[in-house]
Amino acid sequence: SYELTQPPSVSVSPGQTASITCSGDKLGDKYACWYQQKPGQSPMVVIYQDTKRPSGIPERFSGSNSGNTATLTISGTQAMDEADYYCQAWDSSTVVFGGGTKLTVL
Amino acid sequence: QVQLQESGPGLVKPSQTLSLTCTVSSGSISSSIYYWSWIRQPAGKGLEWIGRIYTSGSTNYNPSLKSRLTMSVDTSKSQFSLKLSSVTAADTAMYYCARGLNYGSGTYIDYWGQGTLVTVSS
Repeated sequence: SYELTQPPSVSVSPGQTASITCSGDKLGDKYACWYQQKPGQSPMVVIYQDTKRPSGIPERFSGSNSGNTATLTISGTQAMDEADYYCQAWDSSTVVFGGGTKLTVL
Repeated sequence: QVQLQESGPGLVKPSQTLSLTCTVSSGSISSSIYYWSWIRQPAGKGLEWIGRIYTSGSTNYNPSLKSRLTMSVDTSKSQFSLKLSSVTAADTAMYYCARGLNYGSGTYIDYWGQGTLVTVSS
C-alpha cells in the first residue's frame, strides 16, 4: 500500500518560515493536499492540488510538489499556526494520509 | 455553508457492529461532484481514511477495513452511514464524516463534521 512520510515535529520561531515535508514514491506524479488540525478541532484543508489555497486561507500558506516530496511552507509563521499538519494524496482508489507533523511556534 | 453532523452510539461492545450516521445540511447531498466520506482518528494519533460513497452508491474502501465495512447513502434524508462489524479496542477513535471532491487525479476533503467519539469496550 502507498505510504506518505512526514517528520513527527517541526519547530519555528515566530515570523520565520516553516517547511513541512511529505515523502512518497513518485508523489510528484500525484496531487497532494494539506490539512491543519488544531487541538479539539476537525481538520481543515489549507492547500489542495499541490499549490492552491482555499478561500479564507492566508497567503502565507503555500505548497509545492515534485519528485518524491511535497512541501507545505508557512511564511511569516504566527503563533496561531501552531497545529498538526497532515498531507494527503490519492492512490489506487484510496485516500492516503501522512502520519502528521506537529508544528511548534516558539 | 455545508454542515455535517455525526450521530450514533458512543460505546460499542467488542465483536459487535459500530453504526454511525452523518446528516448533511445546508447543501445538496445529491450533487454528483461530491462524495461522502468517513475518517477516523484514535486519540493522540493520526488520521485514517475509512472509505467514501457517492450518491450513485459507488464506494471505495480502505483495504485494511474492507472486509468489515459497509457504507450507504439515503438522499431522501440527506444522510450517509457507516457500519463496521466485529469491532475491537483498536477501532476506538474519533470518527469524522466529511465531504470530498475530485479534481483531475486528485481529491480532497472540503468540509468535515465535528466528530464523534466511539469507544469499544465491554
